[in-house]
Amino acid sequence: DAGVTQSPTHLIKTRGQQVTLRCSPKSGHDTVSWYQQALGQGPQFIFQYYEEEERQRGNFPDRFSGHQFPNYSSELNVNALLLGDSALYLCASSRYRRDNEQFFGPGTRLTVL
Amino acid sequence: GESVGLHLPTLSVQEGDNSIINCAYSNSASDYFIWYKQESGKGPQFIIDIRSNMDKRQGQRVTVLLNKTVKHLSLQIAATQPGDSAVYFCAENPRGGADGLTFGKGTHLIIQP
Repeated sequence: DAGVTQSPTHLIKTRGQQVTLRCSPKSGHDTVSWYQQALGQGPQFIFQYYEEEERQRGNFPDRFSGHQFPNYSSELNVNALLLGDSALYLCASSRYRRDNEQFFGPGTRLTVL
Repeated sequence: GESVGLHLPTLSVQEGDNSIINCAYSNSASDYFIWYKQESGKGPQFIIDIRSNMDKRQGQRVTVLLNKTVKHLSLQIAATQPGDSAVYFCAENPRGGADGLTFGKGTHLIIQP
């Protein structure tokens, strides 16, 4: 039973560029949530996808967008990258409104130069 | 400001002793609380959760206590082992279930031999 997987593991971009991160949820899960974790901080909720729609959003600008595919996998897109976007991006999966626990992937480490 | 925070950034304990990690939250409407463990280079791993209608919940070697009067949460780890070294986060969800979580900054637990 595969857990949550994310790709790539590491990524280096320059300011102004765009980036796409990918997540495959745990088997049997239909909901994907994305979090940003700056160094030394706790994760911050970006948004959540279920049935290919954004269901909930945290306090992030619209440079952050996402998508969910019919197979429940998800992408996080960040446009016009800023130095402050450097962080570990975590994906968590769950079953929509049926489970409390969110299972996290290992994350994608994004460095913006 | 953040609605969930931890009192101490670092906690050092002797191997075999009990560890207590504390957390304060400010959203009295929060219905669901979770403790996560994050080891270096990995995503957060679920430890234990508790709903607001409970005061205490026990797992294997871990106990979570919830004091709604003072909005305080604690994680107790019995007989701390070297493998318990990690950063511990408390998180809350106002609506319960697998919605976007609000995390605190974390406590780094260090195990002394």
